[in-house]
Amino acid sequence: QKEVEQDPGPLSVPEGAIVSLNCTYSNSAFQYFMWYRQYSRKGPELLMYTYSSGNKEDGRFTAQVDKSSKYISLFIRDSQPSDSATYLCAMSAGSYIPTFGRGTSLIVHP
Amino acid sequence: EAQVTQNPRYLITVTGKKLTVTCSQNMNHEYMSWYRQDPGLGLRQIYYSMNVEVTDKGDVPEGYKVSRKEKRNFPLILESPSPNQTSLYFCASSSPLAGGQETQYFGPGTRLLVL
Repeated sequence: QKEVEQDPGPLSVPEGAIVSLNCTYSNSAFQYFMWYRQYSRKGPELLMYTYSSGNKEDGRFTAQVDKSSKYISLFIRDSQPSDSATYLCAMSAGSYIPTFGRGTSLIVHP
Repeated sequence: EAQVTQNPRYLITVTGKKLTVTCSQNMNHEYMSWYRQDPGLGLRQIYYSMNVEVTDKGDVPEGYKVSRKEKRNFPLILESPSPNQTSLYFCASSSPLAGGQETQYFGPGTRLLVL
């Protein structure tokens, strides 16, 4: 079992839908949780960063961490075609070496 | 504008021919790192550096070297490239210095093919 599991998709939704992206993990020492967006042929872009459990909101994006279930989520409200990209989760135990999920491909169609 | 630059962007080389991929950032970040991205395997960290002259291994350091002589530059060196190092490489820098990367920027990537 990989330390971080992420469904590769693709996940296809209509414009305006609420998108839910998820990762599960097995290492209970993880305490830093990140979400990245990566457009085709581009470098990843840090979207959300969360320390420990709880929620964090930034515009249309909300990150949730449930450490008891070892489960993190990224919600995108009012999704747009420009949100079409691969979304990567990553997590770290504070060792400066993050572990990434393999990414979920999201397609938002008009 | 905050920027991480990498050169070259594309490189085709042959087994055993030493090469260097340069990385430079203009944000005065202390922390820099190198990743490789492979289909089905995701992003994996090769090396990281917490400051000048301070470097450490990531998940997959074998076959790679790095140096950090200046804060802004963090080159990746492949002394004797092999075909299994064919990959997409990303440099990243971040601040503040923490276990997570609260503010992090990635370069545009270097696509390497080793024949």
